[in-house]
Amino acid sequence: DAKTTQPPSMDCAEGRAANLPCNHSTISGNEYVYWYRQIHSQGPQYIIHGLKNNETNEMASLIITEDRKSSTLILPHATLRDTAVYYCIVRVEGAGGTSYGKLTFGQGTILTVHP
Amino acid sequence: AAGVIQSPRHLIKEKRETATLKCYPIPRHDTVYWYQQGPGQDPQFLISFYEKMQSDKGSIPDRFSAQQFSDYHSELNMSSLELGDSALYFCASSLAGGSPKNIQYFGAGTRLSVL
Repeated sequence: DAKTTQPPSMDCAEGRAANLPCNHSTISGNEYVYWYRQIHSQGPQYIIHGLKNNETNEMASLIITEDRKSSTLILPHATLRDTAVYYCIVRVEGAGGTSYGKLTFGQGTILTVHP
Repeated sequence: AAGVIQSPRHLIKEKRETATLKCYPIPRHDTVYWYQQGPGQDPQFLISFYEKMQSDKGSIPDRFSAQQFSDYHSELNMSSLELGDSALYFCASSLAGGSPKNIQYFGAGTRLSVL
């Protein structure tokens, strides 16, 4: 799996957009970008994933650069409950019966949303 | 919607004792993953199962074993416990051929304390 680089920490004001960057310059053509978050000692929570097109769901938007070497997770209106560690993970969208399924968690970004 | 159920939530053991952690995946999910998260660390992949067969293995000690049963629940057995085994243990489940493919959903975890 390609290595990702994220800033160790970021701050965001409540109600503002939180933009979390991730560099994955060695990403392979068949690897997706996944975002998970972990709110203090809870189980990691899936947010969104994408291959090359921008994606949006009820939680967030994912912007992937055209060369796919970096991406940005956008939380459009951050709340205090969005304070968490955010993990950017690149992985082949492999089926469970293969060795591609595991998630390799890196350092992550500690996002602190303040009032 | 039903989520991944882990039991027990908390477990306290003495050194050299054994422990068994249980994981009940989301209904119809066929793949289970186990992760270990030490204090102040990121989750690390231990082992995974697909359709009751081991599909991948990470940095799991030889003292640990796991299996997936016919009803798809999984158990992580830990023997000769050491102080360093104190950690959060997460189970995640996924549907290998689902759409999107193989998104992992995590349980709340089991906090193991070895005294």
